[in-house]
Amino acid sequence: AQSVSQHNHHVILSEAASLELGCNYSYGGTVNLFWYVQYPGQHLQLLLKYFSGDPLVKGIKGFEAEFIKSKFSFNLRKPSVQWSDTAEYFCAVIAYNNNDMRFGAGTRLTVKP
Amino acid sequence: DTAVSQTPKYLVTQMGNDKSIKCEQNLGHDTMYWYKQDSKKFLKIMFSYNNKELIINETVPNRFSPKSPDKAHLNLHINSLELGDSAVYFCASSQVGQFNEQFFGPGTRLTVL
Repeated sequence: AQSVSQHNHHVILSEAASLELGCNYSYGGTVNLFWYVQYPGQHLQLLLKYFSGDPLVKGIKGFEAEFIKSKFSFNLRKPSVQWSDTAEYFCAVIAYNNNDMRFGAGTRLTVKP
Repeated sequence: DTAVSQTPKYLVTQMGNDKSIKCEQNLGHDTMYWYKQDSKKFLKIMFSYNNKELIINETVPNRFSPKSPDKAHLNLHINSLELGDSAVYFCASSQVGQFNEQFFGPGTRLTVL
């Protein structure tokens, strides 16, 4: 079965700083990849997803992620974070045409105003 | 027009009680899930149902039982509640296939006293 690891447990940044959150997965076949965000006290919302095609995907709120197949990575980036980006971020992977989604342990992002 | 809804949002109960959490999706998806999120924000899949068949059942105590009266509903029943069951429970749904993004409900915060 596939698995996901997120390297950063807690990231603290000042507003306007650039963000990169690491995500690596292990699975030998074709995968779909996701980043979800969970704002304090709320449910998971989809930030962006990769199914196929251009490995650089753009999501909501200025986030983007790049799928690098050779590195089994799907890192999340944002050039300039805002205080409102403070949240928990989850990387997830699911095998193509499957329904067994695996989540990483999450990365807590704290943005200081 | 909520896509995935859960009730109740908060549930506080005593040890040993039996409780249920309801979930409904209006997206026409064929698969529904239950996840448990612990105090460290770790997401663990508990169950999924596809066309009324249980197809994922992780190492969850048999005190937990999912029940799906139809494709749009997946309820979670918990018997003999224990302190360690305190968590946030999320329902989700998806359509198995190439584009298998999961949509999450708002969560139910269960507190066992």
